[in-house]
Amino acid sequence: DQQVKQNSPSLSVQEGRISILNCDYTNSMFDYFLWYKKYPAEGPTFLISISSIKDKNEDGRFTVFLNKSAKHLSLHIVPSQPGDSAVYFCAARSGNTGKLIFGQGTTLQVKP
Amino acid sequence: NAGVTQTPKFQVLKTGQSMTLQCAQDMNHNSMYWYRQDPGMGLRLIYYSASEGTTDKGEVPNGYNVSRLNKREFSLRLESAAPSQTSVYFCASIFEGKVAKNIQYFGAGTRLSVL
Repeated sequence: DQQVKQNSPSLSVQEGRISILNCDYTNSMFDYFLWYKKYPAEGPTFLISISSIKDKNEDGRFTVFLNKSAKHLSLHIVPSQPGDSAVYFCAARSGNTGKLIFGQGTTLQVKP
Repeated sequence: NAGVTQTPKFQVLKTGQSMTLQCAQDMNHNSMYWYRQDPGMGLRLIYYSASEGTTDKGEVPNGYNVSRLNKREFSLRLESAAPSQTSVYFCASIFEGKVAKNIQYFGAGTRLSVL
């Protein structure tokens, strides 16, 4: 049972345009959500996060939106750059152990 | 500042062989984690250690054992490797603070093939 789902395996966007990556979850007890970015042959690196008490968090070109009623979050990248091409993982925190549940990942390709 | 270091980077095993994946962090983090990444499956938690001397099972612990040797090191052992354990393994440790909450720092991964 996949508690965190990223239903789009891949996304292709033109440089300068907006990239929107989506994530759905099923467990209403998740209280913290994170996005990680992963380049080939490297470990995931933290990108941006949001607490369940907020609906938006912004950091430069990256904005995460949370819709609790729909159990949905999205990552917006504006403007997209070729260096943003990577796999993006959505993750949700369960409880206070720090355990994260990851989605399957979405491969973003930003074309010059 | 090395962060999270994993060894080896690559390994090929035959079915039934054993091996230990090593992980060390130099950030004085309390919690450490082992994940595996498979195509279309994301990262799945194998084992974690909330503090030195404690370990707990994650989502997919079967076929693995762990040791939290000290605060810095957390090793993952495959006693009898199986082809189903072919995967990329990531170690992570966690920083907890007022602003940066639950951010896990990952190593570069170990790519394991079991033939």
